[in-house]
Amino acid sequence: RKEVEQDPGPFNVPEGATVAFNCTYSNSASQSFFWYRQDCRKEPKLLMSVYSSGNEDGRFTAQLNRASQYISLLIRDSKLSDSATYLCVVTSEGSGTYKYIFGTGTRLKVLA
Amino acid sequence: DAGITQSPRHKVTETGTPVTLRCHQTENHRYMYWYRQDPGHGLRLIHYSYGVKDTDKGEVSDGYSVSRSKTEDFLLTLESATSSQTSVYFCAISGTSSVVEQYFGPGTRLTVT
Repeated sequence: RKEVEQDPGPFNVPEGATVAFNCTYSNSASQSFFWYRQDCRKEPKLLMSVYSSGNEDGRFTAQLNRASQYISLLIRDSKLSDSATYLCVVTSEGSGTYKYIFGTGTRLKVLA
Repeated sequence: DAGITQSPRHKVTETGTPVTLRCHQTENHRYMYWYRQDPGHGLRLIHYSYGVKDTDKGEVSDGYSVSRSKTEDFLLTLESATSSQTSVYFCAISGTSSVVEQYFGPGTRLTVT
């Protein structure tokens, strides 16, 4: 089983739709969680951190479920510009540094 | 945007030649990382550095070496490039606060023929 798993998609949704992605992780000792956005042939960019209490940033909401070991990302009122690949990242503490485990990403296409 | 640059941005090289990629940061962050990204794989860690002259191996370090002689620069060397090292290489940085986000450079697209 992969340490971090994501549905690769693509998720094809119309503009204005609400879409949600999940990401499961296998290490119960994982400490920090993030969502990154990656556009084609570009670097990953931090979208948001995921806190235990959940957090919201405009149209984006991230949640953490430690009991079931998954994080989620909800995008409301999808825009064409939201089309990208969304990577989840899970960290655990290693020897003196953090170990970052990346999912392979979920591809989103928002259609006009 | 975090101040991270990578050079070169694109490179084509022949099998067996040495190649050095450079990552430069202006954020004075302690940690620097080299990743490769290939289709079907998540970002995979090659090497990382936790300070000047302090480096360690990641999960795919074979065939790669690194050096960090200054806080701002982290070099990745392919000692003898092979076609399996054709990839996109990303440098990342992170600080030492309790919030440990990584920030990525723009990437280097390397083709080994």
